[in-house]
Amino acid sequence: NAGVTQTPKFQVLKTGQSMTLQCAQDMNHNSMYWYRQDPGMGLRLIYYSASEGTTDKGEVPNGYNVSRLNKREFSLRLESAAPSQTSVYFCASTSLGDRRPQHFGDGTRLSIL
Amino acid sequence: AQSVTQLDSQVPVFEEAPVELRCNYSSSVSVYLFWYVQYPNQGLQLLLKYLSGSTLVKGINGFEAEFNKSQTSFHLRKPSVHISDTAEYFCAVSETTSGTYKYIFGTGTRLKVLA
Repeated sequence: NAGVTQTPKFQVLKTGQSMTLQCAQDMNHNSMYWYRQDPGMGLRLIYYSASEGTTDKGEVPNGYNVSRLNKREFSLRLESAAPSQTSVYFCASTSLGDRRPQHFGDGTRLSIL
Repeated sequence: AQSVTQLDSQVPVFEEAPVELRCNYSSSVSVYLFWYVQYPNQGLQLLLKYLSGSTLVKGINGFEAEFNKSQTSFHLRKPSVHISDTAEYFCAVSETTSGTYKYIFGTGTRLKVLA
């Protein structure tokens, strides 16, 4: 059971470069989320997709874009990376309903030099 | 909007001792609460959840939590910890806004179990 798969696991970028973080889930979940985790700040929501075809901004969306490619896949794009975007990025998914716990990927560790 | 407070950023405890990790949330008409555990270089795994019913919730790995509506708390406890419990623990609450479900996380508590 793969669950939520994130690629790549590690990446180093130079300031100004662009890249896309990939996320795929095989649990037929409707909702998908992108978070960033920084020391002492917990998880902060970047963007989410309540269902296929919809995306919405979370708490910290500036500098990011997302695409819900289909029900399985939700990608996060950094158009022009900045050192402040150095973080660990987590993708999560859940089936419809706020009683449902989220399932998380193992994260992408991104460093911007 | 909901908020979640984990007052203890780090909790050191000796092996086989009991532990309590504290979590407080802002009040709401209805609330669904979760505890997650994160081991180094891994994602978050669900420990337990409170949706309704009994206020004492049992989870995996011997953990339990008690929902206290009057104190808006959801503290996590384990009567006897192991070295393998060393990890970071996150409390979370779900909220519904215009039919969309979002999850608010605390800043985490790092549990260090000492031999």
